[in-house]
Amino acid sequence: DAGITQSPRHKVTETGTPVTLRCHQTENHRYMYWYRQDPGHGLRLIHYSYGVKDTDKGEVSDGYSVSRSKTEDFLLTLESATSSQTSVYFCAISMNNEQFFGPGTRLTVL
Amino acid sequence: GESVGLHLPTLSVQEGDNSIINCAYSNSASDYFIWYKQESGKGPQFIIDIRSNMDKRQGQRVTVLLNKTVKHLSLQIAATQPGDSAVYFCAEKVPTGANSKLTFGKGITLSVRP
Repeated sequence: DAGITQSPRHKVTETGTPVTLRCHQTENHRYMYWYRQDPGHGLRLIHYSYGVKDTDKGEVSDGYSVSRSKTEDFLLTLESATSSQTSVYFCAISMNNEQFFGPGTRLTVL
Repeated sequence: GESVGLHLPTLSVQEGDNSIINCAYSNSASDYFIWYKQESGKGPQFIIDIRSNMDKRQGQRVTVLLNKTVKHLSLQIAATQPGDSAVYFCAEKVPTGANSKLTFGKGITLSVRP
């Protein structure tokens, strides 16, 4: 799993509440990614980071923000969760063009 | 995790047979391809990769074939086992400088019959 952990692994929240998901890696990788996975869509890139304080948007970034204050942590925040953000969220790191994924966080927004 | 398979095509094979999983990719400029396996409730797991300057690459029990003319990628699994049951999807990378961004296919569910 390339030393990637995600927390929490499961979360149920209500519409309108803020939610922060954490991705932690232990191997000092420069590139980190947040994806969401939904039926019929495959994995879609939300945001990615190419270094501390260096982030950029992916294809489905609306409603999400990210922060990377240190190499090992990449945080994904839903400022005001909506039901359309119910999904499974995966963090990934990049190593020699390959991407390795964390175990995922299942988020349900009621 | 688990809910991805509900809307995916399914390939059913007999244990011991060979499996062939196909993927059509979208961008003729893509220069790198990966096959991933995703078991229920887990994150995608790297299986094998291939660069665009190759047309075949073999791993342990798996072979990836690349046909750039028709933008087609396939994964062959020899002597399929029950543990191979999972969702499989391909990913392609278009050269965009240093950032390694991948575009993922929707996936196919492989079901192995005992």
